[in-house]
Amino acid sequence: AQSVTQLGSHVSVSEGALVLLRCNYSSSVPPYLFWYVQYPNQGLQLLLKYTTGATLVKGINGFEAEFKKSETSFHLTKPSAHMSDAAEYFCAVIRSYIPTFGRGTSLIVHP
Amino acid sequence: DGGITQSPKYLFRKEGQNVTLSCEQNLNHDAMYWYRQDPGQGLRLIYYSQIVNDFQKGDIAEGYSVSREKKESFPLTVTSAQKNPTAFYLCASSQLRPGGNEKLFFGSGTQLSVL
Repeated sequence: AQSVTQLGSHVSVSEGALVLLRCNYSSSVPPYLFWYVQYPNQGLQLLLKYTTGATLVKGINGFEAEFKKSETSFHLTKPSAHMSDAAEYFCAVIRSYIPTFGRGTSLIVHP
Repeated sequence: DGGITQSPKYLFRKEGQNVTLSCEQNLNHDAMYWYRQDPGQGLRLIYYSQIVNDFQKGDIAEGYSVSREKKESFPLTVTSAQKNPTAFYLCASSQLRPGGNEKLFFGSGTQLSVL
């Protein structure tokens, strides 16, 4: 069975600072990797995904993530945080059509 | 507009009662999923279905039941056997393509609470 580990249940940054949300996966074969965002009392929206090809993936709202096979990581970054980025972020993997999610990281943005 | 609709948004269950959460999609997606979300635990898979009239248990199926009689509908019943049902329930769907790398589309969720 594969799993997804998100380091840090909460990450706090100042507005304008770099955002780094960490995700590691365990799989003998690289799975398909996703980042989703959830705003309060809503469903999840796709930020970006990695399937094959370029390891640096750009998503919506200025977010990007880099797939590093040697580190089994897929960390999410954004150069400059905005207040509207405050939300819950989930890393997910898909193998055999079954999605598995990490526990989520709550991003807090301070003025 | 195409999308996935969950209802109701809020639901209250009495002791010993079964309740059913609705999930409908008009995206013509093959696969549908039910997740339970608890604070700090992420999303845990309850059931999923990849074809009409067939469904599979996820990681936490005990105390839940589902049906998939139509492609667009995947209702979830929380039975009285589920002793701790208070949670946020999310329904999702996706298209099944070779490689299995399609994204999920999510509904806006149902918050279930016990009276």
